[in-house]
Amino acid sequence: EPEVTQTPSHQVTQMGQEVILRCVPISNHLYFYWYRQILGQKVEFLVSFYNNEISEKSEIFDDQFSVERPDGSNFTLKIRSTKLEDSAMYFCASSDPRGRDNEQFFGPGTRLTVL
Amino acid sequence: RKEVEQDPGPFNVPEGATVAFNCTYSNSASQSFFWYRQDCRKEPKLLMSVYSSGNEDGRFTAQLNRASQYISLLIRDSKLSDSATYLCVASGDSSYKLIFGSGTRLLVRP
Repeated sequence: EPEVTQTPSHQVTQMGQEVILRCVPISNHLYFYWYRQILGQKVEFLVSFYNNEISEKSEIFDDQFSVERPDGSNFTLKIRSTKLEDSAMYFCASSDPRGRDNEQFFGPGTRLTVL
Repeated sequence: RKEVEQDPGPFNVPEGATVAFNCTYSNSASQSFFWYRQDCRKEPKLLMSVYSSGNEDGRFTAQLNRASQYISLLIRDSKLSDSATYLCVASGDSSYKLIFGSGTRLLVRP
């Protein structure tokens, strides 16, 4: 069964450093997403991406964040200057909007720890 | 008001019990609804979509009431492996953003 993959599984960084989180969505999916989950809190939407551009973003997704699809398979989330409060699980998801409900399937996540 | 609201639980039930989870959502423009399950420190996994007509998948039955903006999930004959956090999810105004509830934790004991 096809699945979303993410690397790395855990990233530790110093405050102020840039990080890039990588995702390989399911191959025939057209929409890509990033969500985050701070420990003990709910899953929060960050951004959706379609046809090489952002289709929607949340208030969390400020100028420190950017997304890119550099080739036909990878989808990345960059945080330019990490803050302590960026520590969270970051989940990538993808969906095929041609399906009945545009169901989103999640990758295993990258745990980001900012020191 | 929270966008998607759930009872946090935990629900502690014996194997074989029937358990029901409820959820309300605030955005009447939401188009799609789902139940996901999440195991500790893992990703949300899609359990099922939710429709007004109700839908069933084995031991799981989900129901949507658009008029009262209410979603339910019923688990029959619960198994130890059902122990997890159940996330109620509504889409935003478009279907391209999911809004998650905080989850209801289920513990199934032997």
